[in-house]
Amino acid sequence: AQSVTQLGSHVSVSEGALVLLRCNYSSSVPPYLFWYVQYPNQGLQLLLKYTTGATLVKGINGFEAEFKKSETSFHLTKPSAHMSDAAEYFCAVSDLVTGGFKTIFGAGTRLFVKA
Amino acid sequence: DTAVSQTPKYLVTQMGNDKSIKCEQNLGHDTMYWYKQDSKKFLKIMFSYNNKELIINETVPNRFSPKSPDKAHLNLHINSLELGDSAVYFCASSLGGGGQGRSPLHFGNGTRLTVT
Repeated sequence: AQSVTQLGSHVSVSEGALVLLRCNYSSSVPPYLFWYVQYPNQGLQLLLKYTTGATLVKGINGFEAEFKKSETSFHLTKPSAHMSDAAEYFCAVSDLVTGGFKTIFGAGTRLFVKA
Repeated sequence: DTAVSQTPKYLVTQMGNDKSIKCEQNLGHDTMYWYKQDSKKFLKIMFSYNNKELIINETVPNRFSPKSPDKAHLNLHINSLELGDSAVYFCASSLGGGGQGRSPLHFGNGTRLTVT
């Protein structure tokens, strides 16, 4: 079974600073990888996904992530943080199981943005 | 609006009661899911239905029973509620989840269940 590890349950950055949220996965086959964002009292929204092709993936709100197979990583970055980026971020991998696919989530990283 | 909608948003009930949560999606997706998010924000899949057929059934107490009357609806019924069932329950949908792992999930806004 595949798994996802997010390093750091909390990350704090200043407004305008670089955002880096770390994600490592374990997979014996090429994975499908996702980043989702959850704002308070809401469901998760897709930020970006990697399936095949270009390893640098651009998403919404200025976020991007790079798939590095050699490092089994899929870190999320944004050059300049905004106050509105404060939220919970989840890295996820799609795992093939009997009957179909299921999405497995990391434990989440809470991003704080300081003024 | 196109979306995944679930009701109710909040559910407060006593131990031993039976309750249901309803979910509907108008995105034209063929796969629907129930996820449980605990107090530490950890998300765990409970069930998945593809075209009304149960395809994923994780290790969930049999007090939890999903029902999918059609591919746009997936309801969750919980019998004999326990304190440990308190959590946020999310419904989600995707296109081709039965065989297309690259499809992202679209989530509802969650149902916060509190068992007292």
